[in-house]
Amino acid sequence: SQKIEQNSEALNIQEGKTATLTCNYTNYSPAYLQWYRQDPGRGPVFLLLIRENEKEKRKERLKVTFDTTLKQSLFHITASQPADSATYLCARRVTYKYIFGTGTRLKVLA
Amino acid sequence: EAQVTQNPRYLITVTGKKLTVTCSQNMNHEYMSWYRQDPGLGLRQIYYSMNVEVTDKGDVPEGYKVSRKEKRNFPLILESPSPNQTSLYFCASSSPSLAGVETQYFGPGTRLLVL
Repeated sequence: SQKIEQNSEALNIQEGKTATLTCNYTNYSPAYLQWYRQDPGRGPVFLLLIRENEKEKRKERLKVTFDTTLKQSLFHITASQPADSATYLCARRVTYKYIFGTGTRLKVLA
Repeated sequence: EAQVTQNPRYLITVTGKKLTVTCSQNMNHEYMSWYRQDPGLGLRQIYYSMNVEVTDKGDVPEGYKVSRKEKRNFPLILESPSPNQTSLYFCASSSPSLAGVETQYFGPGTRLLVL
């Protein structure tokens, strides 16, 4: 079955540093991967999408990469700020179903 | 304002008492979906709907029903709730963008406790 795996351990980094979160998938490569941000008690908010044939995608301080050989996507936040503290979710679509990872909680320390 | 709304936001009920959680979107989206979120298990899809009168099971459909009679509404029905359905529920909607790729918009969540 198709799975999405994210490091469930929390990631603590110092303000100003680059945060890197990992998303690994199983079986065949998805056509695209999506990244969402979720704050405690709130619904996920879409951030970025990267297609299978794209190596890298950027949006302001965010960067996503897609490596079909490693079956992995990396999500980077550069010049991180305390306001970036949240849980970040990776998701793929299989036909009409969505599969989410469990998310990685990021804490940016001032 | 484009949004997905859910009601109620919080609900405490007892085992076996039927309940409905409503979901409505004002973006004319074709695709709608229900998820539950549990600690350590992440977001899991319960049911989804590709359009009016078209629904299908997600990964954890047992104990739930849905209907899609109108494009904007997608209610989640628990005919006989049990304590293992205590969870945080999210409704989401999406529609293909010009690039042909969907992004989902999530509601604020419904926290359900079944005693």
